[in-house]
Amino acid sequence: DVVMTQSPLSLPVTLGQPASISCRSSQSLVSSDGNTYLNWFQQRPGQSPRRLIYKVSNRDSGVPDRFSGSGSGTDFTLKISRVEAEDVGVYYCMQGAHWPFTFGPGTKVDVK
Amino acid sequence: EVQLVESGGGLVQPGGSLRLSCAASGFPFSDYWMSWVRQAPGKGLECVANIKQDGSEKNYVDSVKGRFTISRDNTKNSLSLQMNSLRAEDTAVYYCARTARGLEYWGQGTLITVSS
Repeated sequence: DVVMTQSPLSLPVTLGQPASISCRSSQSLVSSDGNTYLNWFQQRPGQSPRRLIYKVSNRDSGVPDRFSGSGSGTDFTLKISRVEAEDVGVYYCMQGAHWPFTFGPGTKVDVK
Repeated sequence: EVQLVESGGGLVQPGGSLRLSCAASGFPFSDYWMSWVRQAPGKGLECVANIKQDGSEKNYVDSVKGRFTISRDNTKNSLSLQMNSLRAEDTAVYYCARTARGLEYWGQGTLITVSS
């Protein structure tokens, strides 16, 4: 199975400051169809996960443009340009290239 | 508006069975792969199973193979997960999600507790 790792696992942030989460996969996430299936999800306390980014860098509808995704191959990053209070929660990367699709352990973002 | 509503959760004894359902609306259900994803209490996320648009292809994570069966009824816009031989480690919130590789929409989840 593809192992997804994230760092840091805990990220205390100052409101208005940038934040960055790293995600690495144990093998390339380029699928046989040429797409790189790396997604980012946000899970606020008590809520279902919500997808923010798909295929590395595509922002979902309604997702604020302060969220951005980048990376390639096995190394990916989620960036929040200026953290707001509503961004508190756990962020997961997930690979959809190789079954079983797998998630990272999650990065807990909270306010300092 | 896309809506996914899970039902069927509850308390079940080890070795028991349960059937989860997911009612989909707001999109052409038969056009999409569908998935079940679970989250044990206080833990991370795990893709359990997915099913192709016409039901001809199904995938299962190893830990549930032979025990869980995913199915769909495109005439009723419904996704199901039949869970047999349940174990304590199956205790989790089970989410229904649209598509497989992308999981772009999720339901609110239904809690399964396996305990004697």
